Amino acid sequence: GAVVSQHPSRVICKSGTSVKIECRSLDFQATTMFWYRQFPKKSLMLMATSNEGSKATYEQGVEKDKFLINHASLTLSTLTVTSAHPEDSSFYICSATGQVPGETQYFGPGTRLLVL
Amino acid sequence: AQKITQTQPGMFVQEKEAVTLDCTYDTSDPSYGLFWYKQPSSGEMIFLIYQGSYDQQNATEGRYSLNFQKARKSANLVISASQLGDSAMYFCAMRDSSGAGSYQLTFGKGTKLSVIP
Repeated sequence: GAVVSQHPSRVICKSGTSVKIECRSLDFQATTMFWYRQFPKKSLMLMATSNEGSKATYEQGVEKDKFLINHASLTLSTLTVTSAHPEDSSFYICSATGQVPGETQYFGPGTRLLVL
Repeated sequence: AQKITQTQPGMFVQEKEAVTLDCTYDTSDPSYGLFWYKQPSSGEMIFLIYQGSYDQQNATEGRYSLNFQKARKSANLVISASQLGDSAMYFCAMRDSSGAGSYQLTFGKGTKLSVIP
């Protein structure tokens, strides 16, 4: 199946700093990438959808200025959590889809963010 | 109203036995896709199986099969010959055209499967 990588896998930062998370599709061109947030023992919550070369579409309640998404190429999308606060601590996971059967979303391994 | 319903928060199965994880969905879109993902404790979401709304046959992938009952709007996952490594959260998801983008998925709340040796 298609492979999606995500980096870093784990990050601890101080409150007020910004954190960048990268999501890469390794063996296919991802025309669309998604960013999710998952709280412990909960389902995935879609934060935003990004198409290569255009602005991301954010879900209701997700702050655009807080969670900056860039999808500059067909294999890379980044999520930057700006001025992170402890309430931003969570598991962030990206997915990618493109010219794959069923338009299946393939997920990265996720990033655990802890803001102190 | 929930679009994807997984009514079993947790399930237990004996090793080597088969288990069925339930999923019902709600959509008025004639074209949609149904997916199952496995999420072990490490957190990664592993794609298991896909069923398109127009597919005539139930999808199968190794030990995984999808029992697709269109009239009942159900898409149950069947895992045969359970293994200890199958212990994980399992999410059912649907893609239809009701989201802002045609590829968006709606996830159920998940079922935690525990395989007993």
